[in-house]
Amino acid sequence: DVKVTQSSRYLVKRTGEKVFLECVQDMDHENMFWYRQDPGLGLRLIYFSYDVKMKEKGDIPEGYSVSREKKERFSLILESASTNQTSMYLCASSLGPGDRRNTEAFFGQGTRLTVV
Amino acid sequence: AQSVTQLGSHVSVSEGALVLLRCNYSSSVPPYLFWYVQYPNQGLQLLLKYTSAATLVKGINGFEAEFKKSETSFHLTKPSAHMSDAAEYFCAVGRPGTYKYIFGTGTRLKVLA
Repeated sequence: DVKVTQSSRYLVKRTGEKVFLECVQDMDHENMFWYRQDPGLGLRLIYFSYDVKMKEKGDIPEGYSVSREKKERFSLILESASTNQTSMYLCASSLGPGDRRNTEAFFGQGTRLTVV
Repeated sequence: AQSVTQLGSHVSVSEGALVLLRCNYSSSVPPYLFWYVQYPNQGLQLLLKYTSAATLVKGINGFEAEFKKSETSFHLTKPSAHMSDAAEYFCAVGRPGTYKYIFGTGTRLKVLA
């Protein structure tokens, strides 16, 4: 089974702190994603990466950065946490677009971040 | 541009009744379509997917969905609701040859005893 593991289930951080959310996948997937989930807004893409050291901005990248130094690991960084970044963060991975049999994204359990 | 619309942010059904969750998409090319389920404080789990093979797709937990190109719909159904089906359901569209997925805003299903 594909496994996507997020390092923390719950985090509480203070305003202004630098926050790291870590995600690891064990299936050699090329693509990795960070989403933010808020009630009524569904999942919104923050960043995604299609290869090591490669990244692209999603729909809401402001206030966030990412790092992918190894294929299996994708980190989301909140440079200076703010209360409006309190949310559920979901990491996902998928194979490249060429494999029709495995087109779906696999998700981690989520990190519920509270910024106080 | 692709988009996904889920009609009804909240749906309530009685235990044993039909479940119908609606999803309409827009895409300029034949899409991949997905339904995911999310239980409280969990990640998303794939229920089923359409990748241009059979238009009626069967998934886990007794759910199925039918791809209707003429209606640009991919509605999720289950003949008989169970209490354990109470969760939030997300429809998503992916475009072959690209990396991204577009998610709907979700439908929270409540099952009444």
